[in-house]
Parts: sequence; structure tokens; C-alpha cells
Amino acid sequence: AQRVTQPEKLLSVFKGAPVELKCNYSYSGSPELFWYVQYSRQRLQLLLRHISRESIKGFTADLNKGETSFHLKKPFAQEEDSAMYYCALRGGTGNQFYFGTGTSLTVIP
Amino acid sequence: DAGVIQSPRHEVTEMGQEVTLRCKPISGHDYLFWYRQTMMRGLELLIYFNNNVPIDDSGMPEDRFSAKMPNASFSTLKIQPSEPRDSAVYFCASSFPTGTRGKDTEAFFGQGTRLTVV
Repeated sequence: AQRVTQPEKLLSVFKGAPVELKCNYSYSGSPELFWYVQYSRQRLQLLLRHISRESIKGFTADLNKGETSFHLKKPFAQEEDSAMYYCALRGGTGNQFYFGTGTSLTVIP
Repeated sequence: DAGVIQSPRHEVTEMGQEVTLRCKPISGHDYLFWYRQTMMRGLELLIYFNNNVPIDDSGMPEDRFSAKMPNASFSTLKIQPSEPRDSAVYFCASSFPTGTRGKDTEAFFGQGTRLTVV
């Protein structure tokens, strides 16, 4: 069964410190993986997709098929990064999205 | 495109009343998803459609909830009768199918409807 696990519900880091939000998945095929960000009381917005291998707002995420992980990283956290982050997988016969439970990131000034 | 459009943005209603939430997906998207977000349960998939046909409604909490997609540009989520525990933010999202050549296949979310049932 497809599943996405975000082990940390809450994460606090100081401004300027590195941040890593963990995401592990279980999927038998080749998944599409995404990171979404949700700022306070706003919609979920796409942050990264694994196939693009891009860096957005200083964030990167590398798909590690051996460890079935797709961790989100940023070398220097900023206060404006405080938000809820969701890891998502798309796959399966139904083409649906499977979201993790989310990690609330707080960047302390 | 203006993105996924949901209405109303906020809804306050009394217990027992019928509530209808509306969603206009992005033009051309084949998939439409309804999610519910609460502090306790996070983001839950309620139901999703492919080409206007419901594919999986196993996330719909109970018979009080129903969803329709009469055409490619409109969907509704109805709660009748509403209860205080239905208070949440309801999101609609749409997307192309996975693997669509030349298209981004992530889910695009609407702004959500914040429902309060008193």
C-alpha cells in the first residue's frame, strides 16, 4: 500500500541554521513525489516536485530510492520559512495523491 | 487561468442546516479532489473524481456527506444535516493525470472554505 510518513509533527530551528524535514514513502512502482507548503490560513502550494530537481526558495529535495526517502532541506532557515510542510506521493491505479501528516516548521529569530 | 476557485470562503451555519461547498477546477484538469483539514486529523481525502466520475469516496465520513460533479467545470460537496464536528477547512484540488506529457501533474489547491457549524 502507498504511504507517506513525516515523522516530525513539529520542528523548530533558529534563523540561519540548517533545516531538514523528513519524508519517507512506501510504494512499489516509480512514484511522483512533491513537497507542498502551507502558510498560515492559506492554500497548499507546490514547493518542489522530484522530477524537476529544482531549488525553490533555497529548498532542495533529493529522491533516495534505496532509503525510500524524499527529505526537504535548506542550508539557512529564514523566518519566512515558518509554515506547514506536506510531503505527497502520487501513484497507484487510481492516480490519487497520498499526503503525509505534515510538519509544522517554526524558525526562531 | 485563475486557478481552482472555491466558494464560499467562509461559512457559518447552525447545526442541522444543509451546507453546500462549491469548486471550479482548472480548465482541462481531469482530476478533482475534495479534502478536509483539521488540527486533529490533518489533511484527509474525502472523495475524488476522474472525468466527472467519482473514483473513490471511501474517505467520506458518513451518509451526511455527498459530492457531485455534473460537468468538468463544477463540483459540489454537500453536508446535510451539518454537525459541529464538521467544522474544518475544506479544500478542493485539481490536476492532470500522472504522466501527462508536457504538463505539470501536481495537485493545484483552491483557497479553501472555512466551515464553522455552531
